[in-house]
Amino acid sequence: DVKVTQSSRYLVKRTGEKVFLECVQDMDHENMFWYRQDPGLGLRLIYFSYDVKMKEKGDIPEGYSVSREKKERFSLILESASTNQTSMYLCASRAWQGGRGTQYFGPGTRLLVL
Amino acid sequence: SQQGEEDPQALSIQEGENATMNCSYKTSINNLQWYRQNSGRGLVHLILIRSNEREKHSGRLRVTLDTSKKSSSLLITASRAADTASYFCATDGRGGSEKLVFGKGTKLTVNP
Repeated sequence: DVKVTQSSRYLVKRTGEKVFLECVQDMDHENMFWYRQDPGLGLRLIYFSYDVKMKEKGDIPEGYSVSREKKERFSLILESASTNQTSMYLCASRAWQGGRGTQYFGPGTRLLVL
Repeated sequence: SQQGEEDPQALSIQEGENATMNCSYKTSINNLQWYRQNSGRGLVHLILIRSNEREKHSGRLRVTLDTSKKSSSLLITASRAADTASYFCATDGRGGSEKLVFGKGTKLTVNP
């Protein structure tokens, strides 16, 4: 079974702090994704990565950056956390199949920015 | 951009009843997927239906796709309390986009 893990289930940070959210997958998947999920807004794509050292902006990249130095690891960085970044963050990975196929999700990180 | 829109937003039924959720989208797709999310957890893939398929089954799940109407439905038969969750449809584009676009979900409650 594919396993996607996220470094923390719950995280509390202060405004202005730099926050790292880590995601690791164990299935050698090329594609990895970061979403945030908010009530009434569904899942929104922040960034995704085709492969190592490659990244593409999603629908809401402002205030975020990402890093993919190794194939199995995709990090989301909040350079200076703000209260409007309080959210549930979900990581996913997918094998490259011409852009098709199932995404496998991690359990999520619920971030609270005070 | 295209987006799946689920309908209804919330659904409450009794155990043993069938649950039907619908999804509409705006542009041409390669395939459509349904995911399930238990409260406070990540999403789990349920089923994928390709644009050239009209119906697909997996256990108690039945998915239909009508590309002419740009809509899909997910039917859960003989529902159980454990089916209580949010259900999302997700679409990708014919351009080979790597991105999936998720709807806002239907929250299903199955009462024992």
